[in-house]
Amino acid sequence: EPEVTQTPSHQVTQMGQEVILRCVPISNHLYFYWYRQILGQKVEFLVSFYNNEISEKSEIFDDQFSVERPDGSNFTLKIRSTKLEDSAMYFCASSVPRGGRGNEQFFGPGTRLTVL
Amino acid sequence: DAKTTQPPSMDCAEGRAANLPCNHSTISGNEYVYWYRQIHSQGPQYIIHGLKNNETNEMASLIITEDRKSSTLILPHATLRDTAVYYCIASYHFGNEKLTFGTGTRLTIIP
Repeated sequence: EPEVTQTPSHQVTQMGQEVILRCVPISNHLYFYWYRQILGQKVEFLVSFYNNEISEKSEIFDDQFSVERPDGSNFTLKIRSTKLEDSAMYFCASSVPRGGRGNEQFFGPGTRLTVL
Repeated sequence: DAKTTQPPSMDCAEGRAANLPCNHSTISGNEYVYWYRQIHSQGPQYIIHGLKNNETNEMASLIITEDRKSSTLILPHATLRDTAVYYCIASYHFGNEKLTFGTGTRLTIIP
């Protein structure tokens, strides 16, 4: 069964450094998302992406964040200058195969980001 | 998106049916009820969704009241692997719609 994959599984970085989190969505899906979950808190929406542009972003997704689909398979989240409060699990998700509809989103296993 | 309300925790004996309630009294006519679960710190997993008819798939059944103000997710024969946080989310049924997660119900299956 196709699945969303994410790399790395765990990323440790120093405050102020740039990080890139990588995701490979399900191959025929059209919509892509990033969510994050700070330890012990709710899963929070960050951004949605369709047709090579951002569809919606939350207040969390400020100028320090960017997303990109550099080729036909990868979907990346970049944090330009990490802060301690960026420490969280970051989940990528994808949804809706070509010709389909609905909002069943399929999530990856997550990347645990630790900012020191 | 309509707000949903779920009990914070529930226990269920292994092998029994787990019935997880959700209130969504402000749900709009076009919003579906989606259920996801999160096992430990893994990514959320889609379970089932419905609009107004009862739905069943290989994982669970979803019962939605006639007035659509509440629903119940049923795991017919709960196993230890069903221990997770279960989220009930009201969402429009098209792509590109963000999911708004609440705190969910922490379901513990007791051996």
